[in-house]
Amino acid sequence: GDSVTQMEGPVTLSEEAFLTINCTYTATGYPSLFWYVQYPGEGLQLLLKATKADDKGSNKGFEATYRKETTSFHLEKGSVQVSDSAVYFCALIPALMDSSYKLIFGSGTRLLVRP
Amino acid sequence: SQTIHQWPATLVQPVGSPLSLECTVEGTSNPNLYWYRQAAGRGLQLLFYSVGIGQISSEVPQNLSASRPQDRQFILSSKKLLLSDSGFYLCAWSVQDGNTIYFGEGSWLTVV
Repeated sequence: GDSVTQMEGPVTLSEEAFLTINCTYTATGYPSLFWYVQYPGEGLQLLLKATKADDKGSNKGFEATYRKETTSFHLEKGSVQVSDSAVYFCALIPALMDSSYKLIFGSGTRLLVRP
Repeated sequence: SQTIHQWPATLVQPVGSPLSLECTVEGTSNPNLYWYRQAAGRGLQLLFYSVGIGQISSEVPQNLSASRPQDRQFILSSKKLLLSDSGFYLCAWSVQDGNTIYFGEGSWLTVV
């Protein structure tokens, strides 16, 4: 079945460092791809998404590009801040679905940014 | 704009007691509704989803049930809680023909 694999954490960076969190997927056809962020003690917030190959999702300085050839959707940010410390989830919605859209999540990657 | 609310935010319940978590969505009609669970140190697991009033699909066998008595109301229940039911429960919604899912604030359940 469809699945998402993301790098294990925690990822610890200094403020202003470059961030990459790897995410790869297994799916039939062209799924929609998402990054969600979960700040401590809170629910999930949609960070960005991409719905077709070569699309780039971006938000709050974060970017991810839908790479069909490598089945990847890596999350990047050029300069992280302490406030970016959170757990990041990569997820997909399969291409062939009924009327409901069921997210399939990766296991999450904890990011800790030190001042 | 659309908003989603779930409550209570935190709950500590003894083993064998009942459970009721409630979720409501505002600003949209006929949404798809979802219940997810996040166990400690683990990813998110879809428990139930609903495409309309009274229509509930269960993804995994478990000690929980869900109901949708109104268009924008989704309730997660249990008659007798188990220790393994502890976790972070998230309600979510999407439009019927949209492929983006939005989450509520979550409810922390600790079964003791």
